[in-house]
Amino acid sequence: GAGVSQSPSNKVTEKGKDVELRCDPISGHTALYWYRQSLGQGLEFLIYFQGNSAPDKSGLPSDRFSAERTGGSVSTLTIQRTQQEDSAVYLCASSQSFNLFFGSGTQLSVL
Amino acid sequence: AQSVTQLDSQVPVFEEAPVELRCNYSSSVSVYLFWYVQYPNQGLQLLLKYLSGSTLVKGINGFEAEFNKSQTSFHLRKPSVHISDTAEYFCAVTTWTGNQFYFGTGTSLTVIP
Repeated sequence: GAGVSQSPSNKVTEKGKDVELRCDPISGHTALYWYRQSLGQGLEFLIYFQGNSAPDKSGLPSDRFSAERTGGSVSTLTIQRTQQEDSAVYLCASSQSFNLFFGSGTQLSVL
Repeated sequence: AQSVTQLDSQVPVFEEAPVELRCNYSSSVSVYLFWYVQYPNQGLQLLLKYLSGSTLVKGINGFEAEFNKSQTSFHLRKPSVHISDTAEYFCAVTTWTGNQFYFGTGTSLTVIP
């Protein structure tokens, strides 16, 4: 595709529910990142996928967070039993030659 | 691990005036440095990057940055700003592995007419 696509663009959920966020990277980009951006904060690294290698999960804040990347392309970030502190914009980026290309993000609101 | 500090959270500047947005980093290994811009209601996009070579790097929209290894800095500059430069600017650092990009907390640049 022309760019990194994320869906949904907005998600409102109730505390305790599970949510899935989707990312379609730019075709051919082997590296994919998930970040979280909270109001007034920088970008917090969550997870990194590179080709078929084991992902770098060192940024996931708790075991309620998980992510997978199927076929080296589409990625899904899952948050189980959502909490209010999970409310943020979740950004996906794919990379080529150290250039990160970001999607528009998913605004997650946990009520 | 690496870290990035952006010393100014907000920078107001008059139109056509020069501006400098400051960025300092910390790392025990060689780094690659980046500036990203986020315009209102848009996604982040790359302004410029330093990987190697000349320490003065030119980017889009007339911005430039200079890598200073001794001062561990990568400040962003523009000699004359426009209203359209109003945005959030993020400095970022990574290493040759590229497995993590560490971002600063951002500087909000507001250009005043």
